[in-house]
Amino acid sequence: GENVEQHPSTLSVQEGDSAVIKCTYSDSASNYFPWYKQELGKRPQLIIDIRSNVGEKKDQRIAVTLNKTAKHFSLHITETQPEDSAVYFCAATPSNTDKLIFGTGTRLQVFP
Amino acid sequence: NAGVTQTPKFQVLKTGQSMTLQCAQDMNHEYMSWYRQDPGMGLRLIHYSVGAGITDQGEVPNGYNVSRSTTEDFPLRLLSAAPSQTSVYFCASRKGARNEQFFGPGTRLTVL
Repeated sequence: GENVEQHPSTLSVQEGDSAVIKCTYSDSASNYFPWYKQELGKRPQLIIDIRSNVGEKKDQRIAVTLNKTAKHFSLHITETQPEDSAVYFCAATPSNTDKLIFGTGTRLQVFP
Repeated sequence: NAGVTQTPKFQVLKTGQSMTLQCAQDMNHEYMSWYRQDPGMGLRLIHYSVGAGITDQGEVPNGYNVSRSTTEDFPLRLLSAAPSQTSVYFCASRKGARNEQFFGPGTRLTVL
């Protein structure tokens, strides 16, 4: 089955800097890759997603890139702000199943 | 729309007791899933369903049962609670396999 690995587990950046979180997946049939943000004590919420027929997607300060050959995808946050502090999860869905499998999460701290 | 709702918010059980975590959604979503969240382990899929009458196992199904008699409801049953089942449980739903997944507020379960 699908296995999703996420790095780093914690990330600290200065406000205004960029943050990058990386994930790798094992099943080459995976074709949907969402990213979720979970603030302390809250439920996870979708922030951006990408499908396997697209290499990059951007939404304001957030972008996701996908390398299907290497089986990895990354979340890029530019001009970080304190409100970006949260736990971020990547996930993947293989095309031949309906399971959405998550990585282990990255705790991002943005210091003012 | 209430979205995805879960009851109870908090629960304390003794080892060996059984209980049902309730989950309901009013968005007419076909896909529903249960995850558990433990520190450092991310969100692990317990069971999922792609429609009424259809359920399947996720990554960590042992000790849990599910059923899906209606589109709206997807209860999770703990048959004989164990301390290893102490966790935060999230129910989630989505329209299709590659659509945004919406999470419920979570149930914090402690097994003594």
